Amino acid sequence: DIQMTQSPSSLSASVGDRVTITCRASQALSNSLAWYQQQPGKAPKLLLYAASRLASGVPSRFSGSGSGTDYTLTIRSLQPEDFATYYCQQYYFTPTWTFGQGTKVEIK
Amino acid sequence: QVQLVQSGAEVKKPGASVKVSCKASGYSFTGYYIHWVRQAPGQGLEWMGRFNPNSGDTNYAQKFQGRVTMTRDTSISTAYMELSRLRSDDTAVFYCAREGGDAGDYWGQGTLVSVSS
Repeated sequence: DIQMTQSPSSLSASVGDRVTITCRASQALSNSLAWYQQQPGKAPKLLLYAASRLASGVPSRFSGSGSGTDYTLTIRSLQPEDFATYYCQQYYFTPTWTFGQGTKVEIK
Repeated sequence: QVQLVQSGAEVKKPGASVKVSCKASGYSFTGYYIHWVRQAPGQGLEWMGRFNPNSGDTNYAQKFQGRVTMTRDTSISTAYMELSRLRSDDTAVFYCAREGGDAGDYWGQGTLVSVSS
C-alpha cells in the first residue's frame, strides 16, 4: 500500500511568514496529488490538484510544486485565516485516496 | 451552486448499524463519483471507498470490506453510506466528497457518529 508522509507534523508561524509543508509518497505519483485545508470543525477544502494547479477561488499565495515522490505546499505570506491543518492526498492509485497525516499550522 | 448536504448526527450502540445520507444539488448527480472519508476525533482523514452514482459500482477500502455498503437513490440525488457492526473506535465524523478532476472538489459538512454503550 502507498504511504504518504507529511513534514512537519506541526509548525508555529507568524502572520506574513512564508510556510512550506512537504509531502513524500512511498511510490511515484506522476503529479496526481492534491492539497487540502481543514479548519477546526469544518470539512476539508481543496486548495490544489495535479500538484500545482489552484482550485477555484483559492488565493494565489498558495502554491504547489514537486514531482515523482516529493511534493511541497507553500503559503507565500501567511494570513490569519490560514491557521489550519493541511493534508496532502494521492489519487494516482485511483480509486483509492490516501492522505498524509496532516500538518497543523499554529500561530506563533 | 454545487452542494453536498449530509444527514444529522447519530448515536449508536456497539454492534448496531448507521446509515449516513449525502444529498447532492447544483450538478448532475450521476456524472461524478462520490467518495466517503472518515475522521476520528483529533485524527487525520481516512478513505473508506468510492461510489459510482450512475452504475452503482463500488470500490471499498480493504479495512472496511464486509462492513460498509454504499448505495444511492437517483430520484432524489442522494448517496448513502451504511456501516455495520459498529465499535467504539468507529466514533468519527464521516464526510462525503465529490470527485471532480480526480480530487475531492466539494465536500459535505460531515456527520458525527458516536458509538457508545
